[in-house]
Order: sequence, then structure tokens, then C-alpha cells
Amino acid sequence: QQNVQQSPESLIVPEGARTSLNCTFSDSASQYFWWYRQHSGKAPKALMSIFSNGEKEEGRFTIHLNKASLHFSLHIRDSQPSDSALYLCAVDRGSALGRLHFGAGTQLIVIP
Amino acid sequence: EAAVTQSPRNKVAVTGGKVTLSCNQTNNHNNMYWYRQDTGHGLRLIHYSYGAGSTEKGDIPDGYKASRPSQENFSLILELATPSQTSVYFCASGDATGRNTGQLYFGEGSKLTVL
Repeated sequence: QQNVQQSPESLIVPEGARTSLNCTFSDSASQYFWWYRQHSGKAPKALMSIFSNGEKEEGRFTIHLNKASLHFSLHIRDSQPSDSALYLCAVDRGSALGRLHFGAGTQLIVIP
Repeated sequence: EAAVTQSPRNKVAVTGGKVTLSCNQTNNHNNMYWYRQDTGHGLRLIHYSYGAGSTEKGDIPDGYKASRPSQENFSLILELATPSQTSVYFCASGDATGRNTGQLYFGEGSKLTVL
């Protein structure tokens, strides 16, 4: 049974700060690692993903994956108030069937 | 943009009553999912489907049934609703193909309150 944990539970940062969100997982056979973002009262929306060890950058967002330590993270550069949302990490269940196991989320608030 | 629509968006039910949550997708995705979201638990998988006519149990299927009569439609059925099923329910669709595996498209959610 996949166990996905996120930290911190909540985070308040000033506008312009660099923000780091963490996710650990338990199944070393996992292949697909996602971050989803959910604004208040809205649907979760896929933000970005990574499939192999290392780093991937898209605009202000960077994902790091270290499969050996069962850990991946999301870093936001120059955080904006519009980044305020619930961030959910998700990991597949070791098969190519698209079933994800989600963490409980990190609530991010960016103060102008 | 992929489209997943849920109905009803808000529902108040009585304990012991039957509730049906409906979901329609226009993405032509094979896979559809029902999750519930509760504070502190994130999204938990209730049922999923690989295509018309198929339904599979997820992590928390007790008290729920699912129906996939067509590629586009996937329903979640609570035969005897209980207050513990008060939650926000999300339907999603996706295709488990290559690097799209895990990219789910969610509906806007259905808020269910069981009194």
C-alpha cells in the first residue's frame, strides 16, 4: 500500500520568496510523480510531473526527484499571490494504469 | 481543454436515502475515477473504471457503488447514505499512456451533505 506524506501542512510566505514543498512515498516501484494545484473551491489541476531522477524546470516551478530516498519536491521561485492554493503531490501505484495516490496537501499562502 | 462535468454540484440528503452523483467527460479517455476529498486526507480513490461496462474498487469502496454505462458517463451511487459520507466528491478522467500517465482531468466537484 503506497504511503504518501507531504510537508509542511501549511506555509505562509511573502511575495517574491522561494517556496519549497516536500513529498515522500513508500513504494520504490513508483514511476510517475505529479504535483497538482487546487485553488479554493476549484478542481485540482495537474501542474507538472517528473518520471526520472533529477530536476525539471518549467517557468518559476522546479521539481526534484530522488527515487533512492523516496522523495520529491516542488520549488516555486518568486512566489506570487496567485500561487496561493492547496498543493497535492501524487504518485502512481507502480503500474501504467493511471491510478494515483495523493498526499494530504500543503496549503500555501503568499502574502502581497 | 479536457472537460469533465459533474452533477449535482451540491446535494443535501437524509440518512438512509439513495444518492447518485453523475459525471460526464468529453475527452474520450478510457479511464475514469471517483475520489472524495476530506480535510487532512487529501484525495482518496473510491472506484475507477477502464472503460464502458467496467468498474473496479479503489481504496475506500465500502458504502459506494459505481456504474460506467458508456465511455462518457461514470456514476457514483450511495444506496444508503450515512453522515460519514458527507464530503466533496471529485470525478476525473485520464489516459494511462506514456508520459500522460497520471495526468487526470477533474470535474469541479460535488458537495454532499448527509443529515
